[in-house]
Amino acid sequence: GQNIDQPTEMTATEGAIVQINCTYQTSGFNGLFWYQQHAGEAPTFLSYNVLDGLEEKGRFSSFLSRSKGYSYLLLKELQMKDSASYLCAVPYGGSQGNLIFGKGTKLSVKP
Amino acid sequence: EAGVAQSPRYKIIEKRQSVAFWCNPISGHATLYWYQQILGQGPKLLIQFQNNGVVDDSQLPKDRFSAERLKGVDSTLKIQPAKLEDSAVYLCASSPTRGGTEAFFGQGTRLTVV
Repeated sequence: GQNIDQPTEMTATEGAIVQINCTYQTSGFNGLFWYQQHAGEAPTFLSYNVLDGLEEKGRFSSFLSRSKGYSYLLLKELQMKDSASYLCAVPYGGSQGNLIFGKGTKLSVKP
Repeated sequence: EAGVAQSPRYKIIEKRQSVAFWCNPISGHATLYWYQQILGQGPKLLIQFQNNGVVDDSQLPKDRFSAERLKGVDSTLKIQPAKLEDSAVYLCASSPTRGGTEAFFGQGTRLTVV
């Protein structure tokens, strides 16, 4: 079966760096997604990792270790607008996979 | 490019009533998903369509939920009769292909069952 774990809440200071971890168990790996969801809004795509290593995209980076079943999202130079929930998700069902989401990590950025 | 459109944005109904939600995916996207997101949790897939065919409805409570995508474009999700525990945000998403590509989400319909 599939299982995704991520911390429920995190707090960080404006301008700082924060790392949001995600561990997963899945039968058949087909990549890992990170989505951002502001309160009351739709999830928006941040990143997709299918190979091990770090992928950088501006202030956001995502890391994947398939052997450890582990990923993290790194947010640099935090801004107040980064306060949101961050959802880790993995497809299931082979290449035809739908997304299984974690419960999300609610990040609060303080001034 | 227009995004995924959903309506209504908000709906309040009494338990045992019926409700329907509508979704218009991004033009040309063959795959359409309906997710249920209960407060404080991640979205849970209810049903996936590929064009007008159902690919996965294993987590759809079929005794009360139904969904269709008759012409392979718009989709409707219906709950009949609603229960208190159906209170959630219902998200529609679409993607160009199945799996491995990002899904684009609509704003969702927030359902409150009282």
